Amino acid sequence: QSALTQPRSVSGSPGRSVTISCTGTSSDVGGYDYVSWYQQHPGKPPRLLIYDVTKRPSGVPDRFSGSKSGNTASLTISGLQAEDEADYYCCSYAGDYSLDFGGGTKLTVL
Amino acid sequence: EVQLVQPGAEVKKPGESLRISCQGSGYSFTSYWIAWVRQMPGKGLEWMGIIYPRDSDTRYSPSFQGQVTMSVDGSISTAYLQWTSLEASDSAMYYCARQAGIHNIDYWGQGTLVTVSS
Repeated sequence: QSALTQPRSVSGSPGRSVTISCTGTSSDVGGYDYVSWYQQHPGKPPRLLIYDVTKRPSGVPDRFSGSKSGNTASLTISGLQAEDEADYYCCSYAGDYSLDFGGGTKLTVL
Repeated sequence: EVQLVQPGAEVKKPGESLRISCQGSGYSFTSYWIAWVRQMPGKGLEWMGIIYPRDSDTRYSPSFQGQVTMSVDGSISTAYLQWTSLEASDSAMYYCARQAGIHNIDYWGQGTLVTVSS
């Protein structure tokens, strides 16, 4: 069982927005502003989308945004595109150099 | 360009030993922690631990402590993940990744698919 809880699946139509939640505890998500989000297409390694809760690496479209409230972090994807269909993982620093991952959310673009 | 290069696949029998590699380039290899992440077939990501190439300081997830050994050779910018006696349950994709500032992972290798089967 993963340390962080994500919905197993979400879906949305092209052009619409979806939000994926990631719930942890005060020992990880709630305790640090170090939540990151990764996108993984089948057969590929994960790709960093968001780090430090809200920051985007260069090259990541601004359609992807992150936020956090208490022990729950969220990834919002606006203007859904077909290529956004993938698995999404949240990750939080959990102290003592360790990271916790969520179980992953499968995004289907209808 | 930051790159982490891993062999694509390894096939072993139960009880055999294995060491997989991860060679970094495009950045100062000894200045960033290297993480190992397991992904079992059809499952999610699991953080196994990290190693600091400059001094080999290693931190393991409790779930993997004693199951694997991480090592590094900074002179050739290569990190390793090792098993002494493989089991079928070790079959998975193993990614190495750069853990930037210990707080998150920013670059990933392509992964090594380890298959353990008699």
